[in-house]
Amino acid sequence: DAGITQSPRYKITETGRQVTLMCHQTWSHSYMFWYRQDLGHGLRLIYYSAAADITDKGEVPDGYVVSRSKTENFPLTLESATRSQTSVYFCASSEEGRADTQYFGPGTRLTVL
Amino acid sequence: TQLLEQSPQFLSIQEGENLTVYCNSSSVFSSLQWYRQEPGEGPVLLVTVVTGGEVKKLKRLTFQFGDARKDSSLHITAAQPGDTGLYLCAGRILVGNEKLTFGTGTRLTIIP
Repeated sequence: DAGITQSPRYKITETGRQVTLMCHQTWSHSYMFWYRQDLGHGLRLIYYSAAADITDKGEVPDGYVVSRSKTENFPLTLESATRSQTSVYFCASSEEGRADTQYFGPGTRLTVL
Repeated sequence: TQLLEQSPQFLSIQEGENLTVYCNSSSVFSSLQWYRQEPGEGPVLLVTVVTGGEVKKLKRLTFQFGDARKDSSLHITAAQPGDTGLYLCAGRILVGNEKLTFGTGTRLTIIP
């Protein structure tokens, strides 16, 4: 099915391990975004990308790394996971000039022990 | 500091009642969106408002953008159990800035 997908949907890891969350969209949208959702904070932007090979920091980028070698993929890597990174992570995409309309993936629930 | 404050944080009402959810800020937004999120899923866009004073209706849901473009409200008439979910407002401060700022959300429960 066309759309935006995330994998894995659930992940449990240990402190200090590297974890990569995947995001794939089939619309060829220019913009892609990574958010984390925590109780009391709502959705907070981690990183975003305007196009392949163009990325920029959001509100809470520390401890995360992104890349975008292809338009359709936008992986998020936690280089050395910490307990404070336990959260639900959402990927979203939008057409250029249409930031008002973001399409979200189903989310990845990450637990860092 | 939260740029967008939503109230109430939690709301539980009986089926058939009316309700209003608020989204407030001290900042001016070029546009404001409302999303609904159900458990285990990502947010889904309900509406975008762009003009101060604008009112949009989506069946039993009425969305209003404040005249000064600093606040918005969502009114639901005759709430139904299917309206249960987390309602998020989000705003774009600058035209040309593709980033959205999200509020903390209102968790709505409609009791049959």
